[in-house]
Amino acid sequence: SSELTQDPAVSVALGQTVRIACQGDSLRTYYASWYQQKPGQAPVLVIYGKNNRPSGIPDRFSGSSSGNTASLTITGAQAEDEADYYCNSRDNSGNHLRVVFGGGTKLTVL
Amino acid sequence: QVQLIESGGGVVQPGRSLRLSCAASGFTFSMYAMHWVRQAPGKGLEWVAVISYDGRNKYYADSVKGRFTISRDNSKNMVYVQMNSLRAEDTAVYYCARDSDMATVVGFFDNWGQGTLVTVSS
Repeated sequence: SSELTQDPAVSVALGQTVRIACQGDSLRTYYASWYQQKPGQAPVLVIYGKNNRPSGIPDRFSGSSSGNTASLTITGAQAEDEADYYCNSRDNSGNHLRVVFGGGTKLTVL
Repeated sequence: QVQLIESGGGVVQPGRSLRLSCAASGFTFSMYAMHWVRQAPGKGLEWVAVISYDGRNKYYADSVKGRFTISRDNSKNMVYVQMNSLRAEDTAVYYCARDSDMATVVGFFDNWGQGTLVTVSS
């Protein structure tokens, strides 16, 4: 089971704003990163750290964090944003380095 | 540009072993930690293991600890995962991924390979 919790599915109307949340204790200590995955493709990093976008990621993607919750916001969602989104973070529970993922959120753009 | 190319997947019987390889290019391989991440068919992402940039430190998910071994050869720009005592639940696409920061492990994966499918079945 995932140590980070995400809603399984979210929908957004074309051009509107959507927020995808990720909850977990590790987020009180570590920043999250977010990945977009389209069918049959490898994941792509879209947001990492406090609110950093890799080169080539549109600025409609942004990230934020508060307490045990990290959020990915897409401002003005496009049809091509329809995908699965995963959050992850480091975790040091049990004094053992590991990385945890959320279960993923399927985003539908209506 | 950064390239990660996995190989070694296939069909293997339960209890047998398999070694996956990942060939890296386009960056200074010896400066980055490398991870293996897997995805069972129709399921989410699961982190498997990480090896530090110099190979000294290795960490594993509880689900594979004691069965999988991650290693690297910085002279060949290669990272490997030796998978022993394979189980049906290890069936997945296995991705190698680069950690985003040099000389440390932050757990952000800024580059991924295309993945290699491992099927554990009798």
